[in-house]
Amino acid sequence: DAGVTQSPTHLIKTRGQHVTLRCSPISGHKSVSWYQQVLGQGPQFIFQYYEKEERGRGNFPDRFSARQFPNYSSELNVNALLLGDSALYLCASSLVGVSYEQYFGPGTRLTVT
Amino acid sequence: GENVEQHPSTLSVQEGDSAVIKCTYSDSASNYFPWYKQELGKGPQLIIDIRSNVGEKKDQRIAVTLNKTAKHFSLHITETQPEDSAVYFCAASFNQFYFGTGTSLTVIP
Repeated sequence: DAGVTQSPTHLIKTRGQHVTLRCSPISGHKSVSWYQQVLGQGPQFIFQYYEKEERGRGNFPDRFSARQFPNYSSELNVNALLLGDSALYLCASSLVGVSYEQYFGPGTRLTVT
Repeated sequence: GENVEQHPSTLSVQEGDSAVIKCTYSDSASNYFPWYKQELGKGPQLIIDIRSNVGEKKDQRIAVTLNKTAKHFSLHITETQPEDSAVYFCAASFNQFYFGTGTSLTVIP
């Protein structure tokens, strides 16, 4: 079975630009969560979507937004990029909500210069 | 919000020895406690989890224990192998996942 897939693998952007990251969950999973992982730290929760609705939001500025599509895939958008946005962005899928097993994708490495 | 602390930050063991990683959490509402293994350049991989109505769970060489009263849970790896070398993260969840800061485990052949 295919696991969680994310694209692109790596991305280099300039300060002030916008970026869109994509995620496809495991087949049959209806919930997608996004995390930011800065080097040397644990993942930090950004958003959770379930059945195309936002079900949770972490402590991130409004520059971060996301959506989930009818096929349960998801996009994470970040506007007005800052140097501090450089991180590994992880997508995790689960059958239902956050108190269930979450399976992570390989991540997108974003570098902001 | 929830605060998860993880110790130690680094751990080196000889192949065949046991490794123990400990985590504490602050929110008594947390009811799900997974452990993840992350290898270099990869996403975290779920290795074992435990729910708040269970005190211990074992899967081959890996076990997790939970003490709800003390709000701490631990990962135990027995008969360690070089391929166990990785960064391990604990997490606590009620309505969102809160991760610890990670433990870099090195198994010396």
